[in-house]
Amino acid sequence: KAGVTQTPRYLIKTRGQQVTLSCSPISGHRSVSWYQQTPGQGLQFLFEYFSETQRNKGNFPGRFSGRQFSNSRSEMNVSTLELGDSALYLCASSLEKGAATNEKLFFGSGTQLSVL
Amino acid sequence: GESVGLHLPTLSVQEGDNSIINCAYSNSASDYFIWYKQESGKGPQFIIDIRSNMDKRQGQRVTVLLNKTVKHLSLQIAATQPGDSAVYFCAERRGGGSYIPTFGRGTSLIVHP
Repeated sequence: KAGVTQTPRYLIKTRGQQVTLSCSPISGHRSVSWYQQTPGQGLQFLFEYFSETQRNKGNFPGRFSGRQFSNSRSEMNVSTLELGDSALYLCASSLEKGAATNEKLFFGSGTQLSVL
Repeated sequence: GESVGLHLPTLSVQEGDNSIINCAYSNSASDYFIWYKQESGKGPQFIIDIRSNMDKRQGQRVTVLLNKTVKHLSLQIAATQPGDSAVYFCAERRGGGSYIPTFGRGTSLIVHP
């Protein structure tokens, strides 16, 4: 079974631009969550989608948005990029049988975004 | 504020030694804890988990210990190998139906051959 796939692997943008990152979860997984990872702040939760609905949201500005499609694939978008948005963006999926389960998260390798 | 943190940012050990990575948490309502391993260029990988109604759980070469009295979590790796070199994160789920874990900042484990 293929793992979580994130594209692109690397991305270079300039300030003010926008970017869209893609995540394909493991087949059959219905929950997709996104994280920002930086050396200074570590892994920070962005948002989580389940059945095409945003179910949880972290403490990030509205420039960060996402969506999930009917096949569970997800995209996240960052508009008006700032230098501080440079980070590794990780996507994770889980089977998610219910809202309060202990199911494992399976992470992709991430998209390394550099904002110049 | 409430947080998950790690005592040591870097841990260096010799191959064959046992490694212990520590983690402190402050939210007594946390009901589920997970350890992840992240190798360079890869996303975090699940290692082992433990629920708050347990104090010890063992996997293959790894053991997680939970001390709820002092809100402390540890990951023990037996006979550490060079392939264990990575950053290790603890994460907590804070109960109340929230599924999303909160991650600690990570400890870098360096295993010298």
